[in-house]
This record gives sequence, structure tokens and C-alpha cells, in this order.
Amino acid sequence: EAGVTQFPSHSVIEKGQTVTLRCDPISGHDNLYWYRRVMGKEIKFLLHFVKESKQDESGMPNNRFLAERTGGTYSTLKVQPAELEDSGVYFCASSQGFLGSRTEAFFGQGTRLTVV
Amino acid sequence: GENVEQHPSTLSVQEGDSAVIKCTYSDSASNYFPWYKQELGKRPQLIIDIRSNVGEKKDQRIAVTLNKTAKHFSLHITETQPEDSAVYFCAARNFRTSSGTYKYIFGTGTRLKVLA
Repeated sequence: EAGVTQFPSHSVIEKGQTVTLRCDPISGHDNLYWYRRVMGKEIKFLLHFVKESKQDESGMPNNRFLAERTGGTYSTLKVQPAELEDSGVYFCASSQGFLGSRTEAFFGQGTRLTVV
Repeated sequence: GENVEQHPSTLSVQEGDSAVIKCTYSDSASNYFPWYKQELGKRPQLIIDIRSNVGEKKDQRIAVTLNKTAKHFSLHITETQPEDSAVYFCAARNFRTSSGTYKYIFGTGTRLKVLA
């Protein structure tokens, strides 16, 4: 079974540019999560999709971040325009049901975004 | 707000020694605590978890303990091996009443180095 896949693995962009990150969850997983880790800090929750619906977007930093999951399959996270503080590793995770002791969250390898 | 504190940030041990990583959570309603291991260049992977109705759980060389009263939980690795070298993240599962869903609150990570 293929795991959670994220593209690209690395991205270096200039401040003010736009970047789109993609996440392909495990097939059949309705729940998809975006997290971000700034160097040395915690893996911080950004948002949660259930199928194509945003269930919880309380962690999105500001309106420069836009996440979509059209059709309830893969998801994109767009940053426009990018700022220096957006640098970090963006993780995507998926789970079959809601997170819990019988439902594991599977992570992708992350996209390392560097804004210069 | 919700947060999970994790200590230490880095830990070096000699091969064969034990390693202990400690976490403290703030939300007393948290009831599930997974631990993730992220090896260099790889995705975070679940290695062990514990529910709030259990005080300790073991899986071969790793164990997790939970003190609900103190809101502490710890990861114990015995007889450490070089392949245990990685970044370890603790997390607490929180229930978000406004969206009716769960999310993980992660700690800041511990970089464990096992010296051969």
C-alpha cells in the first residue's frame, strides 16, 4: 500500500513568490491534515479536511495560506505571497477515521520550504 | 492555550544505555498520547501510544508511562542501539468541540543520538 506522498520534497523560493504544496493521502483515507514544523519547534497543526470539507482550519496562520481538497482526494496548500517566516517543513498526514487509539495518523515525508 | 512541552531537546546516550524523554500536556481532557519517531530524511512514524485509562505500556525495548494527575507522560527506551537515533515527538490528542473533531498537539521534539 502506498503511503502519504508529498510534492515537492524541497522548495526554495524568493519572498513574495507563490508556492503550492501537494499531498496525496493514502487511498480511502477521508481525513487529511496539514502540519508545519518551524526549525526546532513543535509540529504545529494547520488544518483538517474530512473528504473535501474543511473541518478545522484553526491553525492556519493567515490569509496568505489557502488549502484545498477538491474531490476529496489529494490536497494542495498554497502560500501566496510567501514570507520569510513561512520557512519550515510542511507535513501532511491522513487517517481513515478520526484520530484516536484505533485510528493511526500516517505522515508524509514533508516538504521543506525555504523562503529567501 | 493547548500545548505540550517536551524535554530534553537533545539527548546523547551510549549504546546500551537507557533514554528517557518527558512530556507535559496542558489540557486535562486529553485522553490519547502517541509517540512518533522521525529518522533522518524519513517520515514521522508512530512507534507506541497510550490511552488515558492505562498507566504504562511496553513494546519490546520501548515503554510509555502516563501520570494523569500530573499530566506527564514519558517515553523510555532501554538497551539503546544506533538505529534508535532519530527525532522523537510526543503528542496529546485534543477534542475540539467547535468542529467536533480531534487533533494532535505535538511537542517540540527530542533529537536522540545513540553513540556507538
